[in-house]
Amino acid sequence: GNSVTQMEGPVTLSEEAFLTINCTYTATGYPSLFWYVQYPGEGLQLLLKATKADDKGSNKGFEATYRKETTSFHLEKGSVQVSDSAVYFCALGLSGGYNKLIFGAGTRLAVHP
Amino acid sequence: EAGVTQFPSHSVIEKGQTVTLRCDPISGHDNLYWYRRVMGKEIKFLLHFVKESKQDESGMPNNRFLAERTGGTYSTLKVQPAELEDSGVYFCASSQRPEWGYTFGSGTRLTVV
Repeated sequence: GNSVTQMEGPVTLSEEAFLTINCTYTATGYPSLFWYVQYPGEGLQLLLKATKADDKGSNKGFEATYRKETTSFHLEKGSVQVSDSAVYFCALGLSGGYNKLIFGAGTRLAVHP
Repeated sequence: EAGVTQFPSHSVIEKGQTVTLRCDPISGHDNLYWYRRVMGKEIKFLLHFVKESKQDESGMPNNRFLAERTGGTYSTLKVQPAELEDSGVYFCASSQRPEWGYTFGSGTRLTVV
């Protein structure tokens, strides 16, 4: 079946550290891949996306590359800030015209000064 | 533009009672989705409207849940009667082009006691 697996959290980092949150997926067809972020007390926000293999999504210093050969979409940021503390969700959207998103369990990131 | 609006933001009800959640999508977005996150687990798809029609309701857990979208505008999700396991955060999202990602509301936190 279709599924998304994320690394378990919480992830705790110091400010300016390098961040990687692993995400792998299983899907039929050619899904689109997304990272959503939920800041404390807020709703989900689309962080970045990639719609085909080898695409790189980027936003706010975060990047993720759609790797079909390894079925991965790892999220990276070179230097995290305290304001990046949030829960990050990897998701895939199934192809076929009428998408529904399949989410991973979420990874909580805590960045300390 | 106004975002996706959900209300109430929080609801606490007793087991056996009825609760109705409302979602106002972004104007012009034909696609409207309901998702929920139970007990800090994965965010799971409930159903998808295209305008006023239910396109996919495969994620609805049982017949205690009823979703409607009047005139293709706002949507309601009614739980009747509520059970303890229905507690969680219910998210609504809308999109004009699903493959580009959704805009989510802030969610309704439902607690059944």
